[in-house]
Amino acid sequence: GAGVSQSPRYKVAKRGQDVALRCDPISGHVSLFWYQQALGQGPEFLTYFQNEAQLDKSGLPSDRFFAERPEGSVSTLKIQRTQQEDSAVYLCASSSPPGELFFGEGSRLTVL
Amino acid sequence: QKEVEQNSGPLSVPEGAIASLNCTYSDRGSQSFFWYRQYSGKSPELIMSIYSNGDKEDGRFTAQLNKASQYVSLLIRDSQPSDSATYLCAPGGAAGNKLTFGGGTRVLVKP
Repeated sequence: GAGVSQSPRYKVAKRGQDVALRCDPISGHVSLFWYQQALGQGPEFLTYFQNEAQLDKSGLPSDRFFAERPEGSVSTLKIQRTQQEDSAVYLCASSSPPGELFFGEGSRLTVL
Repeated sequence: QKEVEQNSGPLSVPEGAIASLNCTYSDRGSQSFFWYRQYSGKSPELIMSIYSNGDKEDGRFTAQLNKASQYVSLLIRDSQPSDSATYLCAPGGAAGNKLTFGGGTRVLVKP
């Protein structure tokens, strides 16, 4: 596709449920990033892939968060046993020149 | 101290005026700097990048960088109502890839 595609766009989960968020980056983009954005805040870094290698996962807030990109293209962010504080917009971005991120529309997660 | 500091605003400017946005950062290893614009309910989009000290102009936007002072700014000339958005400052890390975003400055351009 022409841009970064994320699904689902909206997800409502009951506390304790597991969720999976998908990101399909721009074709040919080696780098892929996940950010979390709370209302009124800037995006917070979660994790970064170069091809299939997860080079930095320092921003993942707990071991309930897990990300993968097994074939170096599509990535999935999984959140286990969701908590209310996980409610946020999860942004995926891919880049070719470093720093020039192209963001998807985001997945808005609401945990009840 | 936050890694990237921005005034949250809102910065209210009349149409046609200059909007001036400031950003300070703590990582002296940063070599690349980016400004992203985010409309309400939308995702951030890149509007400017700057890598060297001094000014860089692109249309109505001018980015200014002073690495010694760890300061980067964005000027929006001839502000238009369509410029009303949140502007995010994002220095790149030493490796250049990972961006750390500030909290953003909300700009309101009044007709």
